[in-house]
Amino acid sequence: NAGVTQTPKFQVLKTGQSMTLQCAQDMNHNSMYWYRQDPGMGLRLIYYSASEGTTDKGEVPNGYNVSRLNKREFSLRLESAAPSQTSVYFCASIDGTSAYEQYFGPGTRLTVT
Amino acid sequence: EDQVTQSPEALRLQEGESSSLNCSYTVSGLRGLFWYRQDPGKGPEFLFTLYSAGEEKEKERLKATLTKKESFLHITAPKPEDSATYLCAVHGASNTGKLIFGQGTTLQVKP
Repeated sequence: NAGVTQTPKFQVLKTGQSMTLQCAQDMNHNSMYWYRQDPGMGLRLIYYSASEGTTDKGEVPNGYNVSRLNKREFSLRLESAAPSQTSVYFCASIDGTSAYEQYFGPGTRLTVT
Repeated sequence: EDQVTQSPEALRLQEGESSSLNCSYTVSGLRGLFWYRQDPGKGPEFLFTLYSAGEEKEKERLKATLTKKESFLHITAPKPEDSATYLCAVHGASNTGKLIFGQGTTLQVKP
């Protein structure tokens, strides 16, 4: 039982490049989330998926897109990376029916130069 | 609007020196308050869920309590391995499925 996994762990991009961050969970959770964490800003919600087939914007969605590929997988895409997107990105999931504690992945540290 | 404020931002303790971390919140219809521990370079790790005022949860040297306006994470006789950032989050009825996080308290325990 791996929990929530994320790939890659580290990534360096040049301004304007695109990339996709991958997230998968093996806990049969219904809802999945993407956050970014910046010093002094705490965890900020980018997008979430309450259930398979649905996605919604969070607090800071500009510059990002998401895909809920199936119940296990939720990806985050940066179409044209900007230095302001330098951050640590976390994926999380919850059961969403009787339990709402979120379980987090190990994070992806992204640097945009 | 749901809000969470944690204090202090940083706390330094000597090993064995007990203390408390505060999480003040405003939320319409609390459906759960959560405590997490985050080590440097890692994702937040779930510690506790509290649902109603008066509830308490314990795990080793940690004890979480809840009132109608705030939660406390009490650390009894801390050890250096308790050093981490502790995050508080709330789940409210107006934000179903979404947690609102505080900024966290960074705890350093010196031997």
